[in-house]
Amino acid sequence: GAVVSQHPSRVICKSGTSVKIECRSLDFQATTMFWYRQFPKQSLMLMATSNEGSKATYEQGVEKDKFLINHASLTLSTLTVTSAHPEDSSFYICSARPSGAGHARTGNTIYFGEGSWLTVV
Amino acid sequence: GQNIDQPTEMTATEGAIVQINCTYQTSGFNGLFWYQQHAGEAPTFLSYNVLDGLEEKGRFSSFLSRSKGYSYLLLKELQMKDSASYLCAVRDRMNSGYSTLTFGKGTMLLVSP
Repeated sequence: GAVVSQHPSRVICKSGTSVKIECRSLDFQATTMFWYRQFPKQSLMLMATSNEGSKATYEQGVEKDKFLINHASLTLSTLTVTSAHPEDSSFYICSARPSGAGHARTGNTIYFGEGSWLTVV
Repeated sequence: GQNIDQPTEMTATEGAIVQINCTYQTSGFNGLFWYQQHAGEAPTFLSYNVLDGLEEKGRFSSFLSRSKGYSYLLLKELQMKDSASYLCAVRDRMNSGYSTLTFGKGTMLLVSP
């Protein structure tokens, strides 16, 4: 099946530094990728929709300048947490939908990366 | 935006059947997903509904009624490994043409012997 790889799986960074998380679709092209954040015992919260070749669409309350998203190719989107603070510590998950899935039922599956645990100290 | 409601917790016995309900309100409905998520792991895909009716896949079935804004996930022959959080997610097609996927808060299912 389709695979989405997310890297790194765990990262610890110092407060004030930036950290980049990569999301790659390994065997399909994805025009659209999604970035989620999940705090302990809470559901996934959509942060932004990443569109290849254009600006990401951010959800209300998500700071564009703090969470930089780049979707430079059809297989790679990156999320950069800039000037990280301890409250940014969370589980970040990306997902991708194969391009050209059309209306095929199984083709509408959205594949998730393994997630990245970010700890800001 | 969307308003997605599902029960917070449910308990059931091994071998039993459990139904997890999900109601939603959305403006550009374009599909409903069910995911299973074990603690500390990414969600895994269970089912997808875009038309009304029942989709069956092994021990798992999912039902959708678009007019009622309602879906349920049915789990049969429960196993201990089915203890997990079950997430209902709704896809919205925005005016821009792009779609978003919004998750409910999840239903924590505990299966006991």
